[in-house]
Amino acid sequence: GESVGLHLPTLSVQEGDNSIINCAYSNSASDYFIWYKQESGKGPQFIIDIRSNMDKRQGQRVTVLLNKTVKHLSLQIAATQPGDSAVYFCAENKENAGNMLTFGGGTRLMVKP
Amino acid sequence: GAGVSQSPRYKVTKRGQDVALRCDPISGHVSLYWYRQALGQGPEFLTYFNYEAQQDKSGLPNDRFSAERPEGSISTLTIQRTEQRDSAMYRCASSPKTSGLAYEQYFGPGTRLTVT
Repeated sequence: GESVGLHLPTLSVQEGDNSIINCAYSNSASDYFIWYKQESGKGPQFIIDIRSNMDKRQGQRVTVLLNKTVKHLSLQIAATQPGDSAVYFCAENKENAGNMLTFGGGTRLMVKP
Repeated sequence: GAGVSQSPRYKVTKRGQDVALRCDPISGHVSLYWYRQALGQGPEFLTYFNYEAQQDKSGLPNDRFSAERPEGSISTLTIQRTEQRDSAMYRCASSPKTSGLAYEQYFGPGTRLTVT
């Protein structure tokens, strides 16, 4: 398959461990923050989002934390599985700006069996 | 059901040639977005449409880039007089709504453009 990125920050974790992927965003006026997962050869796939008036949101095995004070977003994946191996991007969105997404840099997650 | 499709999946062209990249959104999706993604980076917004109307083209790099969606469904991104710096993955996304949560954007597999 096609590689999403060749020189990305990489997080390597053991299968079953928890993973934490971090992102710094730029626009303090953003309304939504979204985490996307991108597997090799595929387009970005939505994982979870969080509104700017929230600090934490949980999904299935994933939790997103938002710290507006330092403009920091994190994605926590519980019990990481080999299928979680991918590049993860955070994105920000301003509701009245046409839903266009502004993506941050990606992090490659590698899960060791 | 069928997702967003893009064609061609790979395009190699010589510098100075024009290229047209096609996006077929999910049936019934009213909004369509074009992004460009360089290796190792997240997608970068280019332009988007609600139905057939181009709402924002502020992300288009220069006037060699244009896009259309004449019937509010299929869209074409055209790059004239291609340059090597245009080489990238071009991604299309569609959304069932003209506003609302960003997660409702569904991305296609992209067209890998290489300008030699």
